[in-house]
Amino acid sequence: QVQLQQSGPGLVKPSQTLSLTCAISGDSVSSSSAAWNWIRQSPLRGLEWLGRTYYRSKWYNDYAVSVKSRISINPDTSKNQFSLQLNSVTHEDTAVYYCVRVVVRIGPAAIHAFDMWGQGTMVTVSS
Amino acid sequence: EIVMTQTPLSSPVTLGQPASISCRSSQSLLHRDGNTYLSWLQQRPGQPPRLLIYKISNRFSGVPDRFSGSGAGTDFTLKISRVEAEDVGVYYCMQATQFPPYTFGQGTKLEIK
Repeated sequence: QVQLQQSGPGLVKPSQTLSLTCAISGDSVSSSSAAWNWIRQSPLRGLEWLGRTYYRSKWYNDYAVSVKSRISINPDTSKNQFSLQLNSVTHEDTAVYYCVRVVVRIGPAAIHAFDMWGQGTMVTVSS
Repeated sequence: EIVMTQTPLSSPVTLGQPASISCRSSQSLLHRDGNTYLSWLQQRPGQPPRLLIYKISNRFSGVPDRFSGSGAGTDFTLKISRVEAEDVGVYYCMQATQFPPYTFGQGTKLEIK
């Protein structure tokens, strides 16, 4: 059974870097049938996709335009996990952050569904 | 970016009665591969979202058959045939046809009358 376990601080000062990690069990970060995403949720913005990393013979990343200049999502194959770094945070980055697996296909069938979610990390940006 | 719009935003329902939530996309969700990547998520209070339905009408593993999805193009519906107490929460539609970015509806809160 696939599980995603998030870790990282719940309080970040303005202008500093938000860093979270998502440890994967039951699947591989290098899986050719999955992509590994970060999503956040706030009362103001609802559910907001931030970005993803995935492996298809080489590593790829995609990021939301709203955070593209400040975000980095990186896989760590040695620990089977992936991480989120969001630089220069402001109060508007206060949210619950989730790591999420998108299963791209099951066998020959394309799926593209957000099937596994981490437990969520409430991150508050405050001095 | 595709905008997802849900109605209603709040739905008070009597236990044992049906419920229906609509979702409309700003563009067709039919992918060039012939699939429509429209999913429904359920978020119970204090929990992360959970996948209920993918590709319009496919129930995810463990999802009760009282949940069903339908629709095509830009208009989609989630139906609960008989609402149970454990169904209380917020329901989201989301699209994975045109990405990045994946986009979500604003959520529909299901509550018991």
